[in-house]
Amino acid sequence: GAVVSQHPSRVICKSGTSVKIECRSLDFQATTMFWYRQFPKKSLMLMATSNEGSKATYEQGVEKDKFLINHASLTLSTLTVTSAHPEDSSFYICSAIEFGSYNEQFFGPGTRLTVL
Amino acid sequence: QKEVEQNSGPLSVPEGAIASLNCTYSDRVSQSFFWYRQYSGKSPELIMSIYSNGDKEDGRFTAQLNKASQYVSLLIRDSQPSDSATYLCAVKGNYGQNFVFGPGTRLSVLP
Repeated sequence: GAVVSQHPSRVICKSGTSVKIECRSLDFQATTMFWYRQFPKKSLMLMATSNEGSKATYEQGVEKDKFLINHASLTLSTLTVTSAHPEDSSFYICSAIEFGSYNEQFFGPGTRLTVL
Repeated sequence: QKEVEQNSGPLSVPEGAIASLNCTYSDRVSQSFFWYRQYSGKSPELIMSIYSNGDKEDGRFTAQLNKASQYVSLLIRDSQPSDSATYLCAVKGNYGQNFVFGPGTRLSVLP
């Protein structure tokens, strides 16, 4: 099956710093990547949809200036949490859809962000 | 507002029993349906996809789709304690790329 990686898997940072999370499709080219966040015992919340070479589409209520998304190639998308605060602490998960396929979505292992 | 609903959990079944997970969706033009399993602290993993009415079997898993009733289910036969997880139903329309996820049903298989 298609493999998606995320880096880092876990990050702890101080309030006010910026954190970059990378999402890579390892064995396929991804037309589209999605970014989700998930709080404990809650369901996935879609933050944004990222297409290679174009601006991300953010869901309502997600601050685009705070959560910067760059999809520079068909295998890499990055999420930067700028000026992180404790309320940004969450589990961030990316997923990808293979180029030429518009169906199955494969998830990365997730990044657990803790802002002190 | 496109919605996906799942039966509220947690659902507990004894080991060896059949676990039945249900999902309904509001968007009648939805075409693709997926079941994901998520272990605590981990990301979701795809276990089944189904696109046509009827049943689709893969090992101990069977997905059932009824588009007229806007209903999709997942049956897990011979449930094992390792099946204990949250199961997420996801629905995708014919156009666009966005998926809508249900809130998930937590399954506990008791040894």
